Amino acid sequence: EVQLVESGGGLVQPGGSLRLSCAVSGFTFSSYWMSWVRQAPGKGLEWVAKIKQDGSEKYYVDSVKGRFTISRDNAKNSLYLQMNSLRAEDTAVYSCARDWVGHCSGNNCYGAHDFWGQGTLVTVSS
Amino acid sequence: DIQMTQSPSSLSASVGDRVTITCRASQGISYHLAWYQQKPGKVPRLLIYAASTLQSGVPSRFSGSGSGTYFTLTISSLQPEDVATYYCQKFNSAPYTFGQGTQLEIK
Repeated sequence: EVQLVESGGGLVQPGGSLRLSCAVSGFTFSSYWMSWVRQAPGKGLEWVAKIKQDGSEKYYVDSVKGRFTISRDNAKNSLYLQMNSLRAEDTAVYSCARDWVGHCSGNNCYGAHDFWGQGTLVTVSS
Repeated sequence: DIQMTQSPSSLSASVGDRVTITCRASQGISYHLAWYQQKPGKVPRLLIYAASTLQSGVPSRFSGSGSGTYFTLTISSLQPEDVATYYCQKFNSAPYTFGQGTQLEIK
C-alpha cells in the first residue's frame, strides 16, 4: 500500500523557519519525481516545488523561490521542504505528492499526481 | 508562467444532470492536463490525466476532452457522491499550475 506521511508543521512567527518531512512507503521512492503542494485554509491547491529522482533538478513556484528548498534522501525514503523567511501568506496545509507518468507517446509523457499525503499544517503568525 | 482558469467557480445541478466544467490555459499545453476531485477534508483524487485518460478505478461517468488551451471535464449523470471541488492542473513543465477550482453542489 502506498503511503505518504508528512510531519514537521506547526506555528511559526513571520520570518521564521520550518522543515517539513514526508515519509514514503509502498513504492520505489527513488524512481519518482516528487512534489510539494499546499492549500491555504478555504482556498485552492497551489503547486510549490518538485525534485528529480536523484535530486539533481529542482523547480519552484515563483512565490517561494529563494526561500524554500526541496530535497530528498532516497536511502531514508524521505522528502523534505526547508522553509525560510516564512510569511503569513505561506500559511497552508502542505502535502507531498508523487509525480506519476501514466503513459508516453513519442517524445511526450503524460502524468499527474497520483498519490498524496494527508498534509501537515503550517501556520505563520505572530 | 502559464495561467489556468476554470469556469464556473461554483455550480449547482440536480442528480442525473450532465455537468461540464471548463479549464483554459493561457498558452498551449498540448494534452498535458489533469483533473482532480477533492471532497471536504480529503486529499485530492486523480480523475483524468493526459486530458482524456480516465484513471484506474474512476467511474465512467467522468470524462475529459480538449487540447492546447481549452479543456473540459464532464460528468454524464451527476451522483450525490460527486459533490466536491474539482481542479485542473497543467502537467507539462514546472510550475504545475492548478486552476482555481470549481465547487460542485447538488440542487
